[in-house]
Amino acid sequence: DTAVSQTPKYLVTQMGNDKSIKCEQNLGHDTMYWYKQDSKKFLKIMFSYNNKELIINETVPNRFSPKSPDKAHLNLHINSLELGDSAVYFCASSHASGQNIQYFGAGTRLSVL
Amino acid sequence: GDSVTQMEGPVTLSEEAFLTINCTYTATGYPSLFWYVQYPGEGLQLLLKATKADDKGSNKGFEATYRKETTSFHLEKGSVQVSDSAVYFCALTTMNRDDKIIFGKGTRLHILP
Repeated sequence: DTAVSQTPKYLVTQMGNDKSIKCEQNLGHDTMYWYKQDSKKFLKIMFSYNNKELIINETVPNRFSPKSPDKAHLNLHINSLELGDSAVYFCASSHASGQNIQYFGAGTRLSVL
Repeated sequence: GDSVTQMEGPVTLSEEAFLTINCTYTATGYPSLFWYVQYPGEGLQLLLKATKADDKGSNKGFEATYRKETTSFHLEKGSVQVSDSAVYFCALTTMNRDDKIIFGKGTRLHILP
């Protein structure tokens, strides 16, 4: 069973479109995250949610909107996609109490044409 | 603010060579320290961790010791294999309410047969 699963794995779309990436974890974790990894492998946190409450909201354009219907899901919706949004997006989860070991999904490679 | 600095790559070694990837950190309080590894086409996964000074984390032949006096957490392996080729991320968490992990920029490792 995949602990943190995100779909789709690949996403190719045109500039200006709206797209969503879904993430689900079956680990019973309280906290979920979205990261963006650029072509140089630099990893930047975008958002985190704890029990459906937004905890971290880094400097991210408001075209990006996370949605957490329940603590096992954290979806990422992106409006009006731009070329610079092309990257690999990773979802992760962790247990809030403890050592904050994060478990990552396999990533969604987004290409904006 | 808290930060992690790790040596820039790529690092290229021959199989069975000794590996060191340097990592130093800046943090208030007493952070937990981690090494994550990202194999090609996959998400990050925890390699090892240490939660207090002088702790040694180890896994799959890799080791790192939490050195508070030098604020370092260098990753070492005595004899690398081709299968160790990946990107390695040093990270810390200070257990604040936001449960944020601070990642280094990653070091790409190539092992030649």
